[in-house]
Amino acid sequence: NAGVTQTPKFQVLKTGQSMTLQCAQDMNHNSMYWYRQDPGMGLRLIYYSASEGTTDKGEVPNGYNVSRLNKREFSLRLESAAPSQTSVYFCASSTGTGSYEQYFGPGTRLTVT
Amino acid sequence: QQQVKQSPQSLIVQKGGISIINCAYENTAFDYFPWYQQFPGKGPALLIAIRPDVSEKKEGRFTISFNKSAKQFSLHIMDSQPGDSATYFCAASFARRTSYGKLTFGQGTILTVHP
Repeated sequence: NAGVTQTPKFQVLKTGQSMTLQCAQDMNHNSMYWYRQDPGMGLRLIYYSASEGTTDKGEVPNGYNVSRLNKREFSLRLESAAPSQTSVYFCASSTGTGSYEQYFGPGTRLTVT
Repeated sequence: QQQVKQSPQSLIVQKGGISIINCAYENTAFDYFPWYQQFPGKGPALLIAIRPDVSEKKEGRFTISFNKSAKQFSLHIMDSQPGDSATYFCAASFARRTSYGKLTFGQGTILTVHP
């Protein structure tokens, strides 16, 4: 099992450009999450999907959109990137019920200039 | 609004020493408290977790101590090793179905264990 995979690993964008971060899991998990990690801020939840077909805002959703394409895939889109969105982005998944352990992908390092 | 506050930001320990990281939470409805470990260039991974019905949980060299009245919990790493050098995050959640496992993380502690 690959677990949680994310693409790309690195990306540089200019202000105003758009891009989509891809995430897929092969553990048959119901719930998926997108976090951003900034120094001194820990991990902050951007959006989550409790199950296929549902998405909800987390702590810092402004400037982002998500799509739960199917049970395996959960994408994060930046429509008009801003320097404040420079961060490391992590996707995670969990069963959503019973076990509360979240499994994280390797992350995407995004720089917006 | 930071609901989980973690300290210290960084910690340097000698090999064989005890590493202690502290967290405090505000929301008394939290009832699941995990610790995640993150190595450079990797995603976080669950290390150990506790529910508030116990005051301590031990797994190998790692122990969580939980003080419900003070709304605090801490991670103790006994006999710290250079391989323990990583960033540690505490977190809190609601262990019920409708929370869908959402976690609120602390700010993180960078642990360096010198040989």
